[in-house]
Amino acid sequence: GAGVSQSPSNKVTEKGKDVELRCDPISGHTALYWYRQSLGQGLEFLIYFQGNSAPDKSGLPSDRFSAERTGGSVSTLTIQRTQQEDSAVYLCASREGGGPGAKNIQYFGAGTRLSVL
Amino acid sequence: DAKTTQPNSMESNEEEPVHLPCNHSTISGTDYIHWYRQLPSQGPEYVIHGLTSNVNNRMASLAIAEDRKSSTLILHRATLRDAAVYYCIPPVQGAQKLVFGQGTRLTINP
Repeated sequence: GAGVSQSPSNKVTEKGKDVELRCDPISGHTALYWYRQSLGQGLEFLIYFQGNSAPDKSGLPSDRFSAERTGGSVSTLTIQRTQQEDSAVYLCASREGGGPGAKNIQYFGAGTRLSVL
Repeated sequence: DAKTTQPNSMESNEEEPVHLPCNHSTISGTDYIHWYRQLPSQGPEYVIHGLTSNVNNRMASLAIAEDRKSSTLILHRATLRDAAVYYCIPPVQGAQKLVFGQGTRLTINP
């Protein structure tokens, strides 16, 4: 079946511009995660959505970052007034169930490579 | 939360077994250990997970020490396509995020 799809695959923007990154999770997966991977920081958690619960935003680095998940499916990560340090690969993952439990099997997309000039 | 320690890099030859170690000395009794890997230019992918006993699946085996303070991911017959960064993921109490350390970069020689 179809995996997690992210778009665009590459995005080049100018410092100060806003960008939107899209994630289409696996159909039926209730949990959705955003991570980012940069050279200096490795892979870090950004935000987590589970059903209709309030999202866990504890990983968002600043208030310039926000995300929403519409209809429990597609998610958009928005970065306002981009800075050069925002350059990274932004990865989305989805999981069939989201509650506490043994299996934390997340399926990742290929990511969006963001370059801020 | 439990912490993990892995070697930065390992190297092996094609068609030989590979044993990737992970120390998780602070793990609690009910915590699962998950392993993911990341191939070049791809997102991470789930490999295997376990609690106490050894686990096998089509990708790998996971050997968990009796005291659960360490585990070893075993690739029985490495191929060039197994070259990746392998992450031993510690559990995070009350949270569902994955916490990635630096992982072990595995190089496979032909």
